[in-house]
Amino acid sequence: AQSVAQPEDQVNVAEGNPLTVKCTYSVSGNPYLFWYVQYPNRGLQFLLKYITGDNLVKGSYGFEAEFNKSQTSFHLKKPSALVSDSALYFCAVRVPGPRQLTFGSGTQLTVLP
Amino acid sequence: GAVVSQHPSWVICKSGTSVKIECRSLDFQATTMFWYRQFPKQSLMLMATSNEGSKATYEQGVEKDKFLINHASLTLSTLTVTSAHPEDSSFYICSARDLLRANIIEAFFGQGTRLTVV
Repeated sequence: AQSVAQPEDQVNVAEGNPLTVKCTYSVSGNPYLFWYVQYPNRGLQFLLKYITGDNLVKGSYGFEAEFNKSQTSFHLKKPSALVSDSALYFCAVRVPGPRQLTFGSGTQLTVLP
Repeated sequence: GAVVSQHPSWVICKSGTSVKIECRSLDFQATTMFWYRQFPKQSLMLMATSNEGSKATYEQGVEKDKFLINHASLTLSTLTVTSAHPEDSSFYICSARDLLRANIIEAFFGQGTRLTVV
């Protein structure tokens, strides 16, 4: 079985400050990890993924995430937050193969001007 | 990235009627598509996996006779909510993966459909 935990329902950060959205996972085998962002009444937009290799992956809109195998974490980060980053963020995991994603519960990020 | 188009974006229907939602992969072939339901401020709940040319696989607790899924071509899957009731009001999202390109492992999502049953 595979599972994802996003421990924070809500993250507030001031514009220009760094942001972190936390994600931990549980999976048998090597994971594929993903971050998606959702704006109100819209589908999910892909931000970044980890497959293998370098633990720090860079994605769209200046976001990056760090894979930590020992802590089974894949936290999303951005050095300087923008008000337009305010949205709902989902972490997701699956194992290799034609399987569906398992999503975390989502974290609402609010960047305050 | 690959594009998944979902239509309509929103629909209002009367209780007892049926509503069809379309999900199209625009620039790739999707032998498998996934249908999710999302309640306000909650995560996505997988409803079913849609397989081209065969019956869909439904998750536990999802009524297959209520949520009819048809995947007749490699680029189109449809979800029909039959005899809709107000409790079916929700945000429905489809997704697909391009299984023919091994370097693209992420799933791509449609824009979602906001269904309101009155």
